[in-house]
Amino acid sequence: AQKVTQAQTEISVVEKEDVTLDCVYETRDTTYYLFWYKQPPSGELVFLIRRNSFDEQNEISGRYSWNFQKSTSSFNFTITASQVVDSAVYFCALSGKSGNQFYFGTGTSLTVIP
Amino acid sequence: NAGVTQTPKFRVLKTGQSMTLLCAQDMNHEYMYWYRQDPGMGLRLIHYSVGEGTTAKGEVPDGYNVSRLKKQNFLLGLESAAPSQTSVYFCASSPLGTSGRTGTDTQYFGPGTRLTVL
Repeated sequence: AQKVTQAQTEISVVEKEDVTLDCVYETRDTTYYLFWYKQPPSGELVFLIRRNSFDEQNEISGRYSWNFQKSTSSFNFTITASQVVDSAVYFCALSGKSGNQFYFGTGTSLTVIP
Repeated sequence: NAGVTQTPKFRVLKTGQSMTLLCAQDMNHEYMYWYRQDPGMGLRLIHYSVGEGTTAKGEVPDGYNVSRLKKQNFLLGLESAAPSQTSVYFCASSPLGTSGRTGTDTQYFGPGTRLTVL
């Protein structure tokens, strides 16, 4: 079974604080992909990152960083020095080799307070 | 490139009415998808297509039909709308995976259609 769990429903932080969004996944596939998407208040879904199961290197893009750990089946997302524009719902997603489907978590709503 | 576009952006239906949502992509992607987004439930896959002329059921297909007559278009139909179908509908597309790689490549989403069924 494929499943993505985002246990944090809502998070509020004060601007400039660091925040980590958790993502735990389940899959029986040995090859799979993990994704993060951002959904700002305007409603569109914006692709942030894709990581394949063979690459456990962490990635940093500006204030964003991702920590992929196969041992704990986690793909966590950290925003450093958060800004008001980071306020959004963030979704973690998983795709495996079966069915060409994505499996989304239920999302974490992040509010950055100025 | 316009990317993925959806028509209409908003719609209000009465119970029992029918309608079709249109999704178009200009990226020559093979795969296309329809999702619905409901509060607290994330995105759930309704139907998807792995190529022109082919469709398949996703997680929540009941009450919906789809067609992919042209590669660039993916239509979602509601034959007899019900209040439970009030939702935001997203279309997405993704390219064919490269050789030696399995799984779905990055999906690119349209702006969404907000549908209310009274």
